[in-house]
Amino acid sequence: AQSVTQLGSHVSVSEGALVLLRCNYSSSVPPYLFWYVQYPNQGLQLLLKYTTGATLVKGINGFEAEFKKSETSFHLTKPSAHMSDAAEYFCAVSDRSGGYNKLIFGAGTRLAVHP
Amino acid sequence: DAEITQSPRHKITETGRQVTLACHQTWNHNNMFWYRQDLGHGLRLIHYSYGVQDTNKGEVSDGYSVSRSNTEDLPLTLESAASSQTSVYFCASSGTGVGEQFFGPGTRLTVL
Repeated sequence: AQSVTQLGSHVSVSEGALVLLRCNYSSSVPPYLFWYVQYPNQGLQLLLKYTTGATLVKGINGFEAEFKKSETSFHLTKPSAHMSDAAEYFCAVSDRSGGYNKLIFGAGTRLAVHP
Repeated sequence: DAEITQSPRHKITETGRQVTLACHQTWNHNNMFWYRQDLGHGLRLIHYSYGVQDTNKGEVSDGYSVSRSNTEDLPLTLESAASSQTSVYFCASSGTGVGEQFFGPGTRLTVL
């Protein structure tokens, strides 16, 4: 069965510092992987996704993630944090059992950005 | 623009009452999902539907029901609200393909 583990429920960085949010997955089939962001009192918004092809995926707001099959990882990075990046981030893997698609979400990582 | 809406955005109810949360999408997606979000638990899947007249139980379906009579709507019903069902509820939809889901803005439900 598919599963997702996000290491670190809370991450704090300084403005301008590198952001690294970790995600490891388990999947019995080639995975489709997603990162979502949730700002306070809002729904989830797609940041980026990996399906096939290039393993380095670029998303919105300067974020990117690299699919590493050998490490079963899909870590999210941003070179320079901005105050507006403070939010909760969710990694997800697609469960394609039965020919349909569900998403299996990690527990989330809350990112704090301080001046 | 296509969108997914939820109503009401906030609801306070009493234990034992029946409550229905609405979800409406204009993406023309076949797949619709209901989640609840609680501190420390992330997103948990309640029910989902892959098309009209199709419904399936998720990991936390006890005390909830859904019905799908058209493509656009998937209302979530709490048959007899309990304090443990105080939560934020999100509806999402997806089309065919890789399973990317589009989320509504959420409904904050308080059961007193």
